[in-house]
Amino acid sequence: DSGVTQTPKHLITATGQRVTLRCSPRSGDLSVYWYQQSLDQGLQFLIQYYNGEERAKGNILERFSAQQFPDLHSELNLSSLELGDSALYFCASSVGQGDTEAFFGQGTRLTVV
Amino acid sequence: QKEVEQDPGPLSVPEGAIVSLNCTYSNSAFQYFMWYRQYSRKGPELLMYTYSSGNKEDGRFTAQVDKSSKYISLFIRDSQPSDSATYLCAMANTGGFKTIFGAGTRLFVKA
Repeated sequence: DSGVTQTPKHLITATGQRVTLRCSPRSGDLSVYWYQQSLDQGLQFLIQYYNGEERAKGNILERFSAQQFPDLHSELNLSSLELGDSALYFCASSVGQGDTEAFFGQGTRLTVV
Repeated sequence: QKEVEQDPGPLSVPEGAIVSLNCTYSNSAFQYFMWYRQYSRKGPELLMYTYSSGNKEDGRFTAQVDKSSKYISLFIRDSQPSDSATYLCAMANTGGFKTIFGAGTRLFVKA
């Protein structure tokens, strides 16, 4: 167990809908990272928050947004969902601002039908 | 061309074999090099982490970085069926931001 908790584990929703994925980082970790993993694109970095502030942005679509709350948990919001958004979404956390020693959660499997 | 190239495999070896997993990269700014192991339906787990060039050993695992060739390797000695997983290389630039992952190599170790 990495100490990073993601909910829900599975999510099935229809195209055009909006969903929220939740992540609780390891105790003491200030950074939270979101990744998307699909068969054709591999593991792609989406966005990072450090102590409540956006720190780095990757290939995150405008339909997607995230935030980190004062208690350091984070949420990833996905809206106007398309079939191609079906993927595993991972959250990771680390103590510092760099993600070279990040600990990953078990992921949320999103299926858009 | 992708920044990080990794052969997706699958790679199948008998138990006890030495496994060699490799990645090449194009971005000379990468300073941090990581290997993650991912079991089916699980999140990636950090195995090894190396800064700049050189070798690092941890038990049955050895990571090598050759920055002049832009080539990194992970060796697994005395491979076990429990090593069957997908191995992802990962790299980051100074500061360790925006880690780029390889596609992952699926490894099967047969008993």
